[in-house]
Formats: sequence, structure tokens, C-alpha cells
Amino acid sequence: KAGVTQTPRYLIKTRGQQVTLSCSPISGHRSVSWYQQTPGQGLQFLFEYFSETQRNKGNFPGRFSGRQFSNSRSEMNVSTLELGDSALYLCASSPRQGITYEQYFGPGTRLTVT
Amino acid sequence: GENVEQHPSTLSVQEGDSAVIKCTYSDSASNYFPWYKQELGKRPQLIIDIRSNVGEKKDQRIAVTLNKTAKHFSLHITETQPEDSAVYFCAASRAGGSYIPTFGRGTSLIVHP
Repeated sequence: KAGVTQTPRYLIKTRGQQVTLSCSPISGHRSVSWYQQTPGQGLQFLFEYFSETQRNKGNFPGRFSGRQFSNSRSEMNVSTLELGDSALYLCASSPRQGITYEQYFGPGTRLTVT
Repeated sequence: GENVEQHPSTLSVQEGDSAVIKCTYSDSASNYFPWYKQELGKRPQLIIDIRSNVGEKKDQRIAVTLNKTAKHFSLHITETQPEDSAVYFCAASRAGGSYIPTFGRGTSLIVHP
């Protein structure tokens, strides 16, 4: 099976702009979770989608949003970018809802905000 | 919310030695504890996990132990090899309800040949 893929792999944006990141899960996986990884804060949970519904959300402002399509592909959107949003954004897929099952991570999207 | 503390932040060992990384958690309702390995520039990969109804789990050179009473769990790597060099993350989460899976800050393991 093909692994989790994320596009684009690298992005450079300016403060105030918005960005959309994409994640394609492993075939058959219906759960997609998103994480932000920074040197200062480590790995932090953003949200999880299962069957096109957001099931859980971390402690991030409303500028961070997401959605999931019927084919389980997911997108994450960040509006009004801030310098502190510079990070590696990882998505992970799982065959079942909830992260208490094995999660398979994608390679990440490296976002730089200038 | 849940709080996960991970120690040490850096661990340097000689090839063949054992390595132990410890994590403590605060939410007694947490019941799933995975460990991830992340090599430089690569994605995190699950290497072993344990659920709260089990005290210990082994997979070849890797083992995880869980002490629910003390709310801590540890990763043990025996006969370390240079390819074990990576950052290791622990995490705590629970099924059901509104939960936020929480990760430790990571341990950079360096295995010297």
C-alpha cells in the first residue's frame, strides 16, 4: 500500500496570507489527524477527522481549520498567517477513529512564514 | 488537560549498551501510550505502544513498561545500534470523549559506534 502523502512538501508564505495543506491517507484509512511540530513546542495535536466530521480539536485558534472529503483526503487551512505558524505540519492516518490506534504519519509540509 | 513529561532530553550511549527513556503523565484516564521514532528529516514512526491493561510489552530489542499507579511509562532499548540514533517521542491519550493526545518533548538518542 502507498503511504500517507502530503502536498506541498515546502511552502513559503507572508504574514497575513492564508495557506491550504493537503493530506492523502493510506487507502482504506478513514481517520486523519493533523499535528504541528516546532522545536519550541514539540508535537501538538491540531484536530482529527473521521468520516468527513471533525471528531476532536486541540488548543489552537480558530485560524486553523480543516475538512475531510468523502475519499478521506483531508485539507488543513491556516488563515491570517503569523510568524509563529512556521512549523512542520504532519498528518497521520489510521484505520479507525481516535488516536488510540496505530497512526501512520506523512512526510509533512514545511511551512515558513516571513 | 493532560501533561506529559519526558526525560532525558538527550541520551548518549555506546553501541551495545541499553537505553532507557522515561515519561510521566498526569491524567489517570489516559489509557494508550505509544512511542514514536523520528530520524532526522523523516516522519515519526510508531515503534511500540502499550495500553493501560498491560504492564509490559516487548518487541525484539524494544520494550515498554507501564506503571499506572505512579503514572509513568518507559521505553527500553537493549543492544543499541548506531541506526537507533533518532529522536524518540512518547505520547498519552485515551479513547472516547473529548481528548487531546499529548506528546512528550522528545529524547535525542545518540548511539556511538
